[in-house]
Amino acid sequence: AQSVTQLGSHVSVSEGALVLLRCNYSSSVPPYLFWYVQYPNQGLQLLLKYTTGATLVKGINGFEAEFKKSETSFHLTKPSAHMSDAAEYFCAVSEAANAGKSTFGDGTTLTVKP
Amino acid sequence: DTAVSQTPKYLVTQMGNDKSIKCEQNLGHDTMYWYKQDSKKFLKIMFSYNNKELIINETVPNRFSPKSPDKAHLNLHINSLELGDSAVYFCASSQVSGGNYGYTFGSGTRLTVV
Repeated sequence: AQSVTQLGSHVSVSEGALVLLRCNYSSSVPPYLFWYVQYPNQGLQLLLKYTTGATLVKGINGFEAEFKKSETSFHLTKPSAHMSDAAEYFCAVSEAANAGKSTFGDGTTLTVKP
Repeated sequence: DTAVSQTPKYLVTQMGNDKSIKCEQNLGHDTMYWYKQDSKKFLKIMFSYNNKELIINETVPNRFSPKSPDKAHLNLHINSLELGDSAVYFCASSQVSGGNYGYTFGSGTRLTVV
């Protein structure tokens, strides 16, 4: 069964600092991995995804994530935080055999301090 | 042109009533989903349809009945609404054949049962 654990329900950084949001997954087969962002009172928006190939994937808004199979991790990073990055972030895992079903982590609230 | 649109955006109703939420996608995707997001922002899949066929039906009370008249539409009907049904309901779509499992979400329907 597929599952995702996001470490840290709240992360606070200063503007201009590195953003690191942690995600570990469990999957019985090679996974597809995703990060989504949710701004207040909005739907989720896909930031980036890993399917196959290059393990470092780049997404929108300057975010990137690295798939590390040995660590079963897919952490999200951004070199320099902006105030506009404050939002809820969700990691998700999907398996090809699961008909596209994605299982989401519990979310991490990112706060950016001026 | 909204890719995944849900109506209504807000729904306030009394316990015991029956209500419907509608979802439409214009992306040509073959799979559509309903997710429930509770007050702690946890996301849980409810149903999934692939080309009008129900393929995922999680443990959801049978008061919830999805209907997909065609692959671009997925509606959710809820009978005998209860206080615990209060949540944000998200519709999403993806193109599963071809292996693109990233979701496009609607903006959500905030259901409040009083």
